[in-house]
Amino acid sequence: EVQLVESGGGLVKPGGSLRLSCAASGFSFTNVWMSWVRQAPGQGLEWVGLIKRKTEGETIHYAAPVKGRFIIARDDSEGILYLQMNSLRTEDSAVYYCATGLSNGYAWWGQGTLVTVSS
Amino acid sequence: DIQLTQSPSSLSASVGDKVTITCRASQTISNYLNWYQQKPGKAPNLLIYDASTLQSGVPSRFSGSGSGTDFTLTITSLQPEDFATYYCQQSYTPRTFGQGTKVEIK
Repeated sequence: EVQLVESGGGLVKPGGSLRLSCAASGFSFTNVWMSWVRQAPGQGLEWVGLIKRKTEGETIHYAAPVKGRFIIARDDSEGILYLQMNSLRTEDSAVYYCATGLSNGYAWWGQGTLVTVSS
Repeated sequence: DIQLTQSPSSLSASVGDKVTITCRASQTISNYLNWYQQKPGKAPNLLIYDASTLQSGVPSRFSGSGSGTDFTLTITSLQPEDFATYYCQQSYTPRTFGQGTKVEIK
């Protein structure tokens, strides 16, 4: 059974940092691109970024609003995806999902972890 | 970045109705378009990928069509469990989502 389990969310002050983790199991983690998607309260889905496979140089792409502040990384030996979030802003408050799949669509999602940026 | 515009933003329909949601891309994306259903408090669920391929386990009343810049999600004979919000998403990088279409009970 495929499982994606996010953790690390919480309350942080503006300008602060937080690191999210996504523990993957039930599929070949090394063979897939991994992504982060977020959803602000009552709002739509927003793509945050993705990291390609090691065989593709672990190339990373970010959405413009987070570029230069967020860092995506992966640990293939542990099957864990990370999202290091720095210089957090109130507009970064959202539920953060990790997502992946074997096709072009995101067939597998975690349950999400809530990040609240507030003073 | 490629922008996706969904229409309508919301609609009211009855059980048994046929529902059509459209998604327009700001530039051509071939068939790299996916559709998701999301219910409150839950992660999205992939319905259609590559514009028209039904994801395993998704009921056949869902179908997708289109290529280039114009795409359609169709639900034939709407069921009670289909009342939800639907999103399109394109697979070029940076990836983007449409703003969503909320399907409500009439």
